[in-house]
Amino acid sequence: GIQVEQSPPDLILQEGANSTLRCNFSDSVNNLQWFHQNPWGQLINLFYIPSGTKQNGRLSATTVATERYSLLYISSSQTTDSGVYFCAVPASGNTPLVFGKGTRLSVIA
Amino acid sequence: DTGVSQDPRHKITKRGQNVTFRCDPISEHNRLYWYRQTLGQGPEFLTYFQNEAQLEKSRLLSDRFSAERPKGSFSTLEIQRTEQGDSAMYLCASSDGHAGELFFGEGSRLTVL
Repeated sequence: GIQVEQSPPDLILQEGANSTLRCNFSDSVNNLQWFHQNPWGQLINLFYIPSGTKQNGRLSATTVATERYSLLYISSSQTTDSGVYFCAVPASGNTPLVFGKGTRLSVIA
Repeated sequence: DTGVSQDPRHKITKRGQNVTFRCDPISEHNRLYWYRQTLGQGPEFLTYFQNEAQLEKSRLLSDRFSAERPKGSFSTLEIQRTEQGDSAMYLCASSDGHAGELFFGEGSRLTVL
């Protein structure tokens, strides 16, 4: 099945710093989502981005489907950005999402 | 709130007992998914429904697990004869099958003593 690898596994930032999280996947996809898991465990949708670039406030994401990777950019990080960031892609076609292991982000004041 | 809702949020049970979780999807979504997440891991797919039809089951879904979506609206996930290894967060998600974007509930955390 499709493999999803996220890097780095852990990241510690000073408040105000910028960061880039990466997601590599092993096969072509027609769907990719980025999620933020808050401390209470809920997965919050960040981006639905099968290709191209999207921006939402301090966050933006780019997916280069032909090269099988996606990047999540966080600018001017805040302590509330802390948590685990997951990317997920379909196993094949329009099938259920397969998740990476996530990047655990800690933003320190 | 019109998002995905799950109940109960927390469940503590003794090994060998049965537990049932309920998920109410976003009302216009025809697909409903169950995932399981253990500490330090990403969510793992268990099963999904399109309307009332169960279309796919993961090999993680042992015979002790059963899921239903009888009227194509809410779904239940039952675990029989719970084991300590069943301790996890059980996540439900729904999507409009055509669009494909998944939206998750807050999860049901199970602790088996």
